[in-house]
Amino acid sequence: DGGITQSPKYLFRKEGQNVTLSCEQNLNHDAMYWYRQDPGQGLRLIYYSQIVNDFQKGDIAEGYSVSREKKESFPLTVTSAQKNPTAFYLCASSIVATGEAFFGQGTRLTVV
Amino acid sequence: GQQLNQSPQSMFIQEGEDVSMNCTSSSIFNTWLWYKQDPGEGPVLLIALYKAGELTSNGRLTAQFGITRKDSFLNISASIPSDVGIYFCAGQFNMDSNYQLIWGAGTKLIIKP
Repeated sequence: DGGITQSPKYLFRKEGQNVTLSCEQNLNHDAMYWYRQDPGQGLRLIYYSQIVNDFQKGDIAEGYSVSREKKESFPLTVTSAQKNPTAFYLCASSIVATGEAFFGQGTRLTVV
Repeated sequence: GQQLNQSPQSMFIQEGEDVSMNCTSSSIFNTWLWYKQDPGEGPVLLIALYKAGELTSNGRLTAQFGITRKDSFLNISASIPSDVGIYFCAGQFNMDSNYQLIWGAGTKLIIKP
């Protein structure tokens, strides 16, 4: 089945540890995105990539890093520099020209 | 920067009622998208609009791309319990070959018992 897969669904980490969230898509989409969602809030853009080996910061990139070595994959690392990392993280992909973004199921990260 | 104003923030409705929500901006968009998010899940695309004035339906849902390209609305007719969730609008624009998606803050739909 074509789609976008995030793993794991739930993730627990100790404060001060870096953690990497996985996002894979087999839709042949050029663009991929990472969003953060806090309870009762909308989506805030962390990073996006419109082509392999290139990515741009979104509105809240501080404390996060990404890579785009393959078209299918766009992992997000939440570093220890992120002051409040507990949140719901959503990955999406799109055919750039249409802008229709398709989302994964999300990863709920809890830092204790 | 670009901003979308989505309203209302939340709605309490009776089952069977019609629902209307909208997004407005001071900026022009090339595409308008409407999504629904269930708790703990990723948003799911409901309707995509590509042309000013376009009116598109998806079952009981109808959305329109405003003629000025600065607004869009979503209507849900005869609401049912599974319509409960958060609805987001998103507008796409192109600046210097960078395609950007701007998101509204969401409309939470709650059905009165």
